[in-house]
Amino acid sequence: SQQGEEDPQALSIQEGENATMNCSYKTSINNLQWYRQNSGRGLVHLILIRSNEREKHSGRLRVTLDTSKKSSSLLITASRAADTASYFCATDFNDYKLSFGAGTTVTVRA
Amino acid sequence: EPEVTQTPSHQVTQMGQEVILRCVPISNHLYFYWYRQILGQKVEFLVSFYNNEISEKSEIFDDQFSVERPDGSNFTLKIRSTKLEDSAMYFCASSADIPFFGSGTRLTVV
Repeated sequence: SQQGEEDPQALSIQEGENATMNCSYKTSINNLQWYRQNSGRGLVHLILIRSNEREKHSGRLRVTLDTSKKSSSLLITASRAADTASYFCATDFNDYKLSFGAGTTVTVRA
Repeated sequence: EPEVTQTPSHQVTQMGQEVILRCVPISNHLYFYWYRQILGQKVEFLVSFYNNEISEKSEIFDDQFSVERPDGSNFTLKIRSTKLEDSAMYFCASSADIPFFGSGTRLTVV
């Protein structure tokens, strides 16, 4: 299985702090994506990083990818209460399916 | 902004009954997917569909499951005879490059 695995499983931070979560995977990939899921809701695509990219930014999000270590990190800067959600990495090695990790549950305290 | 639409948002069905979950993908997308998420667990790939046929399916997608694109706009997942363990959130996704997910159908089998 090439499933991504996130670390930590849960994270609690104060509003304004940064949140960092990591994802490791097992096999070669084309892309790695990060998704957010608010409790009981759908999956919102955050950012895609391709296997030949090392870092990508989108607003307050910064994603890194280290293909030699088969790992990625998602950094949320200056967190807000609205960032409270579960965050998933998803890897793909073909066009046909994503493999999701178990997610990191982030709680931002006001 | 274009979005993937799923109906119904919540379906309750008796064990052994057939259910059809409906999805309207984004109009210019060519790849379609179904995923499911059992409460508290990972998002799991079920099936992908391209060029009017299944391109890949997981071990979960057994003979009780089928997919169809009946009219060029809808994409449906049918579960022929539901079991209690089919209770989950079912997500439809479509992609041209990045997958866009619908907000899901919560299926409860009683």
